[in-house]
Amino acid sequence: GAVVSQHPSRVICKSGTSVKIECRSLDFQATTMFWYRQFPKQSLMLMATSNEGSKATYEQGVEKDKFLINHASLTLSTLTVTSAHPEDSSFYICSAEVGGSGANVLTFGAGSRLTVL
Amino acid sequence: DQQVKQNSPSLSVQEGRISILNCDYTNSMFDYFLWYKKYPAEGPTFLISISSIKDKNEDGRFTVFLNKSAKHLSLHIVPSQPGDSAVYFCAASSGSGNTGKLIFGQGTTLQVKP
Repeated sequence: GAVVSQHPSRVICKSGTSVKIECRSLDFQATTMFWYRQFPKQSLMLMATSNEGSKATYEQGVEKDKFLINHASLTLSTLTVTSAHPEDSSFYICSAEVGGSGANVLTFGAGSRLTVL
Repeated sequence: DQQVKQNSPSLSVQEGRISILNCDYTNSMFDYFLWYKKYPAEGPTFLISISSIKDKNEDGRFTVFLNKSAKHLSLHIVPSQPGDSAVYFCAASSGSGNTGKLIFGQGTTLQVKP
């Protein structure tokens, strides 16, 4: 089946530094990928839609200058958390739709746990 | 505004019995509903879905029921197995133009006891 690989799975950084998270579709091409964030005991919240070759579309309330998204190829999207602060500590998950079925079935990566000290 | 709500944070069921997970939504524009299952330290995996034109969809031990008038859906697992222990998320979407823009509930942690 389709696999979405996410790296790193865990990252700890100091406040003020930037962190890059990679999301790869391993056996399929994804023109669109989606980045979600999950705070403890809360639901997954869509942050942005990553579009290959064009700018990402951000959801309301998500700072595009803080969460930089690059989708340079059909198999790779990156999320960079710039000047990270403790409140950015969260679980970040990427996903992609497989098969173009239009059925909104997403395949998710394993997620990246970011801890900002 | 939480458009998709799972009001039960946890559920404990004996192995072999039925597990019923509930989900309520407020947006009448939602036309597709999905259930995802998530193990610790892993991403959610798709379980089963239902279109708003249907009221039931069954796949093996898993059945999803949709009550549009009540804006309510439920996932039935029967018989429940210890391996079903996980967090279950209900999700909804609206319109073909919103592919991938799923709105998730808070999740329900299911524990199936041997």
